[in-house]
This record gives sequence, structure tokens and C-alpha cells, in this order.
Amino acid sequence: GENVEQHPSTLSVQEGDSAVIKCTYSDSASNYFPWYKQELGKRPQLIIDIRSNVGEKKDQRIAVTLNKTAKHFSLHITETQPEDSAVYFCAASIGGYGNKLVFGAGTILRVKS
Amino acid sequence: EAQVTQNPRYLITVTGKKLTVTCSQNMNHEYMSWYRQDPGLGLRQIYYSMNVEVTDKGDVPEGYKVSRKEKRNFPLILESPSPNQTSLYFCASSWAGNTEAFFGQGTRLTVV
Repeated sequence: GENVEQHPSTLSVQEGDSAVIKCTYSDSASNYFPWYKQELGKRPQLIIDIRSNVGEKKDQRIAVTLNKTAKHFSLHITETQPEDSAVYFCAASIGGYGNKLVFGAGTILRVKS
Repeated sequence: EAQVTQNPRYLITVTGKKLTVTCSQNMNHEYMSWYRQDPGLGLRQIYYSMNVEVTDKGDVPEGYKVSRKEKRNFPLILESPSPNQTSLYFCASSWAGNTEAFFGQGTRLTVV
């Protein structure tokens, strides 16, 4: 079936450094790529998303890039802060109408102060 | 306040005893789905619904049932729970499958 691979599974950075998480997807019809942040014991929440007609999107310290040819997309967090510590999930819509979201396995990000 | 509400938050049950986890949203969303979250496996979709009376299987539907009789409610039914269904379950709703999903607070289920 369709799948989304996410790397790395864990990432430790020093406060103030940048963090990059990468995902690849298999369905060439995927057109929606969200990123969710899940803090310990809480529900996942959307932090940024991108659609297939856009190559890059930024929102303050976070950005997402999409390479449709290579079928991969990445999350970039600059000037990391301790409150960025969480699990991050990428996802890709599957099917022409995007009826399903397939999630990556998640990345545990630890920001050391 | 716009929200997705799941109940119960925690549940311990025995193998074979039927249970239902309720999910309700107040955003008039068309699309609702259920996920299970297991360590190292991310969020895997169990079932989804594109509208009232329209449901379809996700990636891990075995052992689960759903119904969508009203737009706001999307209960998850385990007819005969087994220990391998011990997991953290999330309900989510959105305008469509490819728009922002709003998650409920989660239900931690333990089957012994």
C-alpha cells in the first residue's frame, strides 16, 4: 500500500540550532502534505502544511519544502527552543480526492538548553 | 469552542467484551476518521467517513466497526476486543481528507 517514510526517528539539537526532518511518499497523486506536532500526553496539532502546487512555505521559525519530482518533503525549524521538544509527524494525502492521510512514524525532537 | 470530543479518555477492559468509544465534533465537518497510535508506528488510520452513511476502511480496519448516522458523531466499536488492540486511539475531523485534521484528546485502551 501507499506509505510515508520519515527520518530521523529521533533528533537532538542544541537550543538555537536548526532541526530538519525529512519524509518521502510513494503516491504520485498525493497533493497535500501536513506536519503535526504532538507534545507529551497531548493530541497532534497541525503546525504547517503545503499543497502540491507550492514548493515552499514558511511560518515564522518553521518552513516546509516539497520536491514533487523526488517525492519528498521536509520540515525545517530554525532557532530551536525547548518548547519545540515534541514528536513531529509528517503525512501525505492518498488518492485523487485525498480521502486518506497516511502518516509517517514520527520524529522525537529534543532541544537541549 | 470548536472541538472534537472523545469518551472515555481511559478504558481497561477484558478480552471479548464489546466496547464503544464515542467521538463527537461541533464544527460541521464532513470528514471524520479514527487512528490508532502505537510506538514506532505513527498514526495508522482505522476507518474514515466522508459523510453521513459513507464509511471506508483505512489501513488497519480488522477488529473494528464504525457508523456515521449523524454528521457530528462517529463512534468506534470493538465487537470482541483482543490484547493486540491495546493502543492510544484518536478521532479526528476535517472539512475533507486533504485539509487540516482536528484531533480529539485521545482514548487510551488497555485490553487484558
